[in-house]
Amino acid sequence: AQSVTQLDSQVPVFEEAPVELRCNYSSSVSVYLFWYVQYPNQGLQLLLKYLSGSTLVESINGFEAEFNKSQTSFHLRKPSVHISDTAEYFCAVSLNSGNTPLVFGKGTRLSVIA
Amino acid sequence: KAGVTQTPRYLIKTRGQQVTLSCSPISGHRSVSWYQQTPGQGLQFLFEYFSETQRNKGNFPGRFSGRQFSNSRSEMNVSTLELGDSALYLCASSPSPIQHSYEQYFGPGTRLTVT
Repeated sequence: AQSVTQLDSQVPVFEEAPVELRCNYSSSVSVYLFWYVQYPNQGLQLLLKYLSGSTLVESINGFEAEFNKSQTSFHLRKPSVHISDTAEYFCAVSLNSGNTPLVFGKGTRLSVIA
Repeated sequence: KAGVTQTPRYLIKTRGQQVTLSCSPISGHRSVSWYQQTPGQGLQFLFEYFSETQRNKGNFPGRFSGRQFSNSRSEMNVSTLELGDSALYLCASSPSPIQHSYEQYFGPGTRLTVT
């Protein structure tokens, strides 16, 4: 069965500094990979996803993630964070054979400090 | 298009009671999944429905059940509530089972507190 490890439970960072949220997955077959964001008292919003093709995927608000098959990683990066990026971020995986639920990591709480 | 809606948003119940939560998917979406989110266990998959049939089930006791109606709306029920059932329950929808693997839209959740 697949699993996801988010290596940092909390990441504090100053505004306008770069940030990397780490995600590693375990699976014996090919997967789809996702990053979701959750703001306080809200549900999950899809930030970006890797299905196939280019290993670098980008979101509309400046985040990017790179799929690294050899290291089984899908780290999320942003070159310059804003206060509004303060939220919890979840990495998730599903099998690309279809008919499988999302498996989530435990989440990383990103706190942006002014 | 309206997003996924969940009712109620907040709920307080007592141990031993039962509870029913409701989820209305995005119009045209026919697959619905439920997840439980707790600080200790994180996000865990409960079950998935398509065309009124349960397609997948997570590792939860039989006290947790669900169903889907012909209009794709879904309900989940928890009987004999325990303190550990306190959680945020999230519903997600997608157009079809195949797309459910890579395109799920989440509702705001129902916050259940068991006292």
